[in-house]
Amino acid sequence: QSVLTQPPSVSGAPGQRVTISCTGSSSNIGAGYNVHWYQQFPGTAPKLLIYNNNNRPSRVPDRFSGSKSGTSASLAITGLQAEDEADYYCQSYDSSLSGSVFGGGTKLTVL
Amino acid sequence: EVQLVQSGPEVKKPGESLKISCKGSGYSFTTYWIGWVRQMPGKGLEWMGIIYPGDSETRYSPSFQGQVTLSADKFTRTAYLQWTSLKASDTAIYYCARLFNIWYFDLWGRGTLVTVSS
Repeated sequence: QSVLTQPPSVSGAPGQRVTISCTGSSSNIGAGYNVHWYQQFPGTAPKLLIYNNNNRPSRVPDRFSGSKSGTSASLAITGLQAEDEADYYCQSYDSSLSGSVFGGGTKLTVL
Repeated sequence: EVQLVQSGPEVKKPGESLKISCKGSGYSFTTYWIGWVRQMPGKGLEWMGIIYPGDSETRYSPSFQGQVTLSADKFTRTAYLQWTSLKASDTAIYYCARLFNIWYFDLWGRGTLVTVSS
């Protein structure tokens, strides 16, 4: 059981909008710590997708966006493309663990 | 080029020791924390711990404290992850990654596959 909870899977058709939730608690997201998102394709290392809740590295398309509210955060992907099919992980700091934690990951399937 | 280059795959027997490496290049190695992340077969990412190569300060996840040792050599720009007695459950891909401002991983190595089997 991960400290940050993500849905195991989400799916959407090309062109649609999907969201992936990341639910934490008062010792991590709810305590004000930032949330970061990573994208991982099969057989490859993860890559930073969103940092500090809603910031994108320059190489990341603006179809990807992040938000945070209360004890949860969300990753939204608009204009879904086949190439977006991957695993997505959220990450935040947890004060009770004195370290960072990852969500369990969400597999995105493009139908 | 800014990169982290990890050592190659390892096949070990239970009870054996192992030290895998992660060499940084193209940036100031001593001023960024390096973290280690485990990914067991078919599973998600797990934050193991971090080390600051400038002074070798370390912080471990409670789940990995006492199970592994992080170290770094600032002169060779290399970080290490070490086990003294491997278990079959240590079979996984281990990623090293650079932390930006200690909070998030902005640069990842390609991973080292460690297989522990009798």
